[in-house]
This record gives sequence, C-alpha cells and structure tokens, in this order.
Amino acid sequence: EAQVTQNPRYLITVTGKKLTVTCSQNMNHEYMSWYRQDPGLGLRQIYYSMNVEVTDKGDVPEGYKVSRKEKRNFPLILESPSPNQTSLYFCASSSDRGYSPLHFGNGTRLTVT
Amino acid sequence: GQQVMQIPQYQHVQEGEDFTTYCNSSTTLSNIQWYKQRPGGHPVFLIQLVKSGEVKKQKRLTFQFGEAKKNSSLHITATQTTDVGTYFCAGLTGATNKLIFGTGTLLAVQP
Repeated sequence: EAQVTQNPRYLITVTGKKLTVTCSQNMNHEYMSWYRQDPGLGLRQIYYSMNVEVTDKGDVPEGYKVSRKEKRNFPLILESPSPNQTSLYFCASSSDRGYSPLHFGNGTRLTVT
Repeated sequence: GQQVMQIPQYQHVQEGEDFTTYCNSSTTLSNIQWYKQRPGGHPVFLIQLVKSGEVKKQKRLTFQFGEAKKNSSLHITATQTTDVGTYFCAGLTGATNKLIFGTGTLLAVQP
C-alpha cells in the first residue's frame, strides 16, 4: 500500500531535549516536505527536499533541521525544542513539486513543556 | 509575501444546506489543489485545477478556477455529515514555484 509513515504519532518532551520525527515513503517520490499546522494558520512549510541530498528552507525553518540521505526518508530534527514548537506536524511527499498530489503522513502531535 | 487567503475560516450548516469556501491569491497561480482533512486526520488530496476558468465536479462537490487564475472555490451541494472537516486550497505560484496552502475552512454539519 502506498503510504507516508510518520513516527511517533504523539510526543511530549521538555524544552531543550533533542528529538527526531521520522518520515518514510514507499512511492519512490522525489519531493518530500514538512509542514506544521496551527489553529488559524493553516499548513506552513518548514523544509522541503527536491531529491537526495537536496534540501531547502520553507516558510518557517527556524529551530528545525532536516536531512535527505536516502530517497525514502526525510527526518525532521529539533535540536533544542521550545514551547513555541508545540504543534501538529505533517510529512508529505509527491512525485514533483506542486504539479502532483501531496501524500501526507498521519501527523505527529508534539508538545514541548 | 505571497499569500493564499481562504474564507470563511469556519462554517456551520444544517445537513442538506449548501456550502462554499473561497480561495484568493495575491498573485497568479499555475494551478490550484484542494485537500480535505477529517477531524483528527491528515489532509487528503481531492482535485487539481490547471486551466483558466476550469470547472470540475466530483459528485456533490464543484471546483472552480477563476479566469485570472487568482481565485478558486469549492461548492458542496446538499451537505452531509460525512462532509465534516477542514478544506484547504493550495496554490502553486508561478514566480517562485512554491505550493502555498490557504488557512483552511472548517465545515461543521449539524444533522
């Protein structure tokens, strides 16, 4: 089954404790992206990747890192989480940027205390 | 910066009533996509419009892309409780080749 798998679904952590949210897709998609969803603000792009070893900042990249060492994986790293990073995070992939449907993971609800 | 505004933010309807959400961009879009997110779920792709003035239908849902390719709408005829969720538009900007999401419209349907 074609899917984007995100883990974990829920995560509660404390300020400053490094964490990684994993994302994997099995559709051989070149384009992958991370979004955060906050009430009233919709989906805002954090980082995206056009292909292996090619990543770029989205609209809200501060406080986040990503890597794309393999085509299928695109982890999101928070080196020193802060409470303002409490949000719902979605990973998504598509066969190209903007011209094909985005396939979203199930989301990760992160709480930073 | 480039923005895609979506209105209304929230709409509450009685089952059987119609519903429309509107998407407006400050710049010309190459295409527009629509997504639906059920409560507690993730966005799911509904449709993509590419041509100026394009109209597409999916059962009770009608999607339109404006002549100037700066606005779009989603109309649901005779809403059902299964239509509950947040509807997002996402426009691909021609200049920067970025897919920008609207803020979404949350639809509540009362049986």
